[in-house]
Amino acid sequence: GENVGLHLPTLSVQEGDNSIINCAYSNSASDYFIWYKQESGKGPQFIIDIRSNMDKRQGQRVTVLLNKTVKHLSLQIAATQPGDSAVYFCASRLDDKIIFGKGTRLHILP
Amino acid sequence: DVKVTQSSRYLVKRTGEKVFLECVQDMDHENMFWYRQDPGLGLRLIYFSYDVKMKEKGDIPEGYSVSREKKERFSLILESASTNQTSMYLCASSHGQAQHFGDGTRLSIL
Repeated sequence: GENVGLHLPTLSVQEGDNSIINCAYSNSASDYFIWYKQESGKGPQFIIDIRSNMDKRQGQRVTVLLNKTVKHLSLQIAATQPGDSAVYFCASRLDDKIIFGKGTRLHILP
Repeated sequence: DVKVTQSSRYLVKRTGEKVFLECVQDMDHENMFWYRQDPGLGLRLIYFSYDVKMKEKGDIPEGYSVSREKKERFSLILESASTNQTSMYLCASSHGQAQHFGDGTRLSIL
């Protein structure tokens, strides 16, 4: 099976700084990974994904890094803004099944 | 953009009632999913469907059933609601990769 977990339940970051949210997975056969953002009162929103044949992928202000050796992925948010305040969680795909982590709440400090 | 619409944002029902939660997606996705989301437990898969009239049990199907009569619509049914089914229910759809979520139905069973 697969377990997906985030390292910290909460993370506080100064506005304007970069945020790094980490996630670990347990099964090396997982082949696809996704980061979601969930704002209060809303459903999870797709941010960025990465396949296991890549180790980095960039989007607008976000970067996902995948380290298959240690089964770890991270989401980096550049120049964190108040609108980035949300719960972030990762998901991995194993045998066509998506497994979700429990989430890290990102607090933005003024 | 993918639009997944859940018919109710908030719903209050009584123990023993039969409850219907409706979900519609507008992107012709084959795959649809129902999850519940509870504090500390993350997203848990109830049922999913890969095609019309097809359904598969997820990790916690007990007390629930589903219906997929049309490709765009996936209904979750609580046959006889109980208080432990009070939760946030999230519907998602996908076309092979990342799932796209609705904004959820917060269901309270009294």
